[in-house]
Amino acid sequence: EPEVTQTPSHQVTQMGQEVILRCVPISNHLYFYWYRQILGQKVEFLVSFYNNEISEKSEIFDDQFSVERPDGSNFTLKIRSTKLEDSAMYFCAVQTGQFGYNEQFFGPGTRLTVL
Amino acid sequence: AQTVTQSQPEMSVQEAETVTLSCTYDTSESNYYLFWYKQPPSRQMILVIRQEAYKQQNATENRFSVNFQKAAKSFSLKISDSQLGDTAMYFCAFMIDQGGSEKLVFGKGTKLTVNP
Repeated sequence: EPEVTQTPSHQVTQMGQEVILRCVPISNHLYFYWYRQILGQKVEFLVSFYNNEISEKSEIFDDQFSVERPDGSNFTLKIRSTKLEDSAMYFCAVQTGQFGYNEQFFGPGTRLTVL
Repeated sequence: AQTVTQSQPEMSVQEAETVTLSCTYDTSESNYYLFWYKQPPSRQMILVIRQEAYKQQNATENRFSVNFQKAAKSFSLKISDSQLGDTAMYFCAFMIDQGGSEKLVFGKGTKLTVNP
């Protein structure tokens, strides 16, 4: 199973501040995803990323959100001006893209708390 | 749009017994994948088992097996010989098979408690 790490494990920020969440996958991953889980709720898709561009994004992923993979390794999610309702667990997921191998493997998550 | 429904918010089972978690889904697609993910208190999402829609044979992984009924759009998870470590939230998830980047659509989850 591919290893995916995420940093930080827990981020506390003030409303209106910018946060950057990082995902560090092992190589050979082609597809990258961010999901969000508000406490006690289901996991929701935010965005998918392939070949250095967004493949699909949900209605949650508005102009306050952005993603990039600047160095070919780290995959980041930026929230420009955080709101209270952005408090959630944020999961990065990766997929190798090998034929017939469609599992997505999740990182341990970053718990974001907006005060 | 695809939807996934888990009708059992909470379930409990005695250690060593068998439990079945239900999942139904709605789609007009013919090629897709179904998954069960486990989320223990650490909140890590762990893949338990997957099923390709084109396969009639039900997937199994050690003590975990599924009952996939394509016509009924049902995908239940059976856990045999339940262990205390199986205590977790279990999420059923759906993915369209388009050979590339596709999002997972999750159900709301079932909280499973294994009692000693």
